[in-house]
Amino acid sequence: DAGVIQSPRHEVTEMGQEVTLRCKPISGHDYLFWYRQTMMRGLELLIYFNNNVPIDDSGMPEDRFSAKMPNASFSTLKIQPSEPRDSAVYFCASSFRLAGYTDTQYFGPGTRLTVL
Amino acid sequence: KNEVEQSPQNLTAQEGEFITINCSYSVGISALHWLQQHPGGGIVSLFMLSSGKKKHGRLIATINIQEKHSSLHITASHPRDSAVYICAVSSVGGATNKLIFGTGTLLAVQP
Repeated sequence: DAGVIQSPRHEVTEMGQEVTLRCKPISGHDYLFWYRQTMMRGLELLIYFNNNVPIDDSGMPEDRFSAKMPNASFSTLKIQPSEPRDSAVYFCASSFRLAGYTDTQYFGPGTRLTVL
Repeated sequence: KNEVEQSPQNLTAQEGEFITINCSYSVGISALHWLQQHPGGGIVSLFMLSSGKKKHGRLIATINIQEKHSSLHITASHPRDSAVYICAVSSVGGATNKLIFGTGTLLAVQP
């Protein structure tokens, strides 16, 4: 398997523009996570899905952020409108969990977002 | 206070030294994870453990559930071990796949 795939790897945009980040999880994994990493706050969970359904979006900073998972092989994280403070590296991760067992999460390479 | 605390925040070692990174947590957990992030940015899961000890090559991870503490040891350290090491826990109750992260330990191993 190719692992978790994210695109784009780098994104530079201007304040106010819409940004869409994409993620393809490992085939067969039923959990998908979106994380944000900044120097100030480290890694933070934004939202995660189980079987394509959003389970916990309490980490989504504000209404400008939205995430979807239309099918088991694709998810998007959208920021509209973007602001300079959204500049960060955004990671997607996936895992497979049997009942009562916590599995390893596999991380994508990340998308480095710069909002000017 | 963070739910997951790591120490030290920064660590410089000479090649060949034995290295220990510590992680303490304040919540009930189902598992503890050690992650490695290289300067290029990619994150790799090193260990996931809920009790005892695990070993992989020169890396050893231990956990003491009663004391809510884990350590990551690197034996015979090498410059290629230079990276950020992140401790994370899966908390009990509700979503056990949800991770809470420490702030990371930046390790530099000098030749």
